[in-house]
Formats: sequence, structure tokens, C-alpha cells
Amino acid sequence: KAGVTQTPRYLIKTRGQQVTLSCSPISGHRSVSWYQQTPGQGLQFLFEYFSETQRNKGNFPGRFSGRQFSNSRSEMNVSTLELGDSALYLCASSNRGEGGTQYFGPGTRLLVL
Amino acid sequence: AQSVTQPDIHITVSEGASLELRCNYSYGATPYLFWYVQSPGQGLQLLLKYFSGDTLVQGIKGFEAEFKRSQSSFNLRKPSVHWSDAAEYFCAVAAYSGAGSYQLTFGKGTKLSVIP
Repeated sequence: KAGVTQTPRYLIKTRGQQVTLSCSPISGHRSVSWYQQTPGQGLQFLFEYFSETQRNKGNFPGRFSGRQFSNSRSEMNVSTLELGDSALYLCASSNRGEGGTQYFGPGTRLLVL
Repeated sequence: AQSVTQPDIHITVSEGASLELRCNYSYGATPYLFWYVQSPGQGLQLLLKYFSGDTLVQGIKGFEAEFKRSQSSFNLRKPSVHWSDAAEYFCAVAAYSGAGSYQLTFGKGTKLSVIP
């Protein structure tokens, strides 16, 4: 099976812009989670989607949003970008029968100037 | 709320030496525990996981981990380190959040350097 794919892999934006990141889960996985990874804060949970519905949400401002499509692909959007949003954004997919085991994509590196 | 502590930020070992990375967790119920490895600029790769049963679990790349409930620990070990093991290692605990969902909480990671 193909793994989790994320596009784009690298992105440069300026403050105030918005950005959309995409994630395609492993075939058959219906749950997608998003994480932000920074050197200072480590890995922080953003949100989880299952069956096109947000099931869990981390402690991030409303500028961070996401959605999931009927084919389980997911997008996350960050509006009004701030310098502090520069990070590696990781997507993970899971099969709900595996007790929370998540499989990660390679990530999207976002740099905000 | 659940939490994970990895006490060692950075560890350096010689190639061929044994390795132990420490992980302590806090969770009110029976934990589901994971170790992931991340190479620079890459995503996280699952090394191994513990759900129940045998407290010593085997993973990929020759790694193993031992669950000790009395110590709330899940330490990762490898008998002989290879230069390619240099990476950052993350311990995580999965907390059940209802309706079949689990949320992973990660430690801050331990960066492993390997001296030839």
C-alpha cells in the first residue's frame, strides 16, 4: 500500500497570507489527524477528522481549520499567517481498529516571512 | 490529562554500543504506547507499539521496548547501534477520546547522535 502523501512538501508565504495543505491517507484509512511540529513546542495536535467530521481539536486559534472529503483526503487551512506559524505540518492516517496507531506522511515545511 | 516525558534531550553513543532511551508517561487508564523515529526533514516512522500482553515488544530495525506499569515507563532499547540510527526518537501515548477516536500525545523527543 502507498503511504500517506502530503502536498506541497515546501511552501514559503508572507505574513497575512493564507495557505492550504493537502493530505491523502493510506488507502482504507478513514481517520486523518494533523500536527504542527516546531523546535520550541514539539509535536502539537491540531485536529482529527473522521467521516468528513471533525472529531477532536487541539488548542489552536480559529485561524487553523480543516476539512475532510468523502474519499478521506483532508486539507488544512491557515488564514492570516503569522511568523510563528512557520513549522513542519504533519498529517497522519489511522484505521480505527488499530487502537490509535497513526501513520505519518513526510510533512509540509511552511516558512512564513 | 495524559503526558509523556522524555528526560534526555540529546544522547551520544558510539557505533556498536547499546542504547536505551527513556520514556515516562502519565495516563489514568491502560495506556497504548508508541515509539516513532524521525530523520531530519522527514515524517515520523512507527518503530513499535504496546497495547497489552507481553511487556517486552519487538519493533523494526532491531529495536525493542519494555513496558513497566509500576514505573510508568516504556523505555526503548537496542543492543548494538548503527550509524544509520542517528535520528530523533519520540515516545507517545494514545488517549481514548470517544467514538472510536484516540489522540496521541508526544514527548519532546530525544536526539540520538552516533559516533563512528
